[in-house]
Amino acid sequence: AQKITQTQPGMFVQEKEAVTLDCTYDTSDPSYGLFWYKQPSSGEMIFLIYQGSYDQQNATEGRYSLNFQKARKSANLVISASQLGDSAMYFCAMRGSTDSWGKLQFGAGTQVVVTP
Amino acid sequence: DTEVTQTPKHLVMGMTNKKSLKCEQHMGHRAMYWYKQKAKKPPELMFVYSYEKLSINESVPSRFSPECPNSSLLNLHLHALQPEDSALYLCASSQEGQVETQYFGPGTRLLVL
Repeated sequence: AQKITQTQPGMFVQEKEAVTLDCTYDTSDPSYGLFWYKQPSSGEMIFLIYQGSYDQQNATEGRYSLNFQKARKSANLVISASQLGDSAMYFCAMRGSTDSWGKLQFGAGTQVVVTP
Repeated sequence: DTEVTQTPKHLVMGMTNKKSLKCEQHMGHRAMYWYKQKAKKPPELMFVYSYEKLSINESVPSRFSPECPNSSLLNLHLHALQPEDSALYLCASSQEGQVETQYFGPGTRLLVL
């Protein structure tokens, strides 16, 4: 069975600072994908970044980067230069190659509040 | 273009009503999903359609009835719902493949009175 753990229920960060959101996972699948989504209070789940289990390089997308440490089974999201619009719930998620097709396993989420 | 649209944005219904939620994507994706999300919780998978056929039903009560009329459209028909069914209902789509990214719509906030 797969499991995603986000241990930070909430955090405050000051504008322009960087923030790291923790995510650890557990899977026996040889191939899997790790995803981060942002969900503002409006409700839409916005895809941010993807890391494949065989990718050699850490994924980056603009101000988002994924610190992937395969041996430690961690996939932390780093947001650089935080903006007020980054205030949202952030979910780490995983899909495995041998799991029930289509099933995206989510962590509990981390609520981020960016302050001026 | 990674847009998935959902209508309506908000829905209030009584326990005896019949209503439908609609989802549309024009990304050429062949897999579409319905999720239910309660406040402060992660989304829970309800149904998966692959090539317009239902491939996963996560033991969802029969008062929720999905339909995929074509590869771009996904409906969720609601009948005789309970107040505990009040939630945000999210639609998503992806390319076929087990590690493909799912793109979500804005959701429908449903309140059952």
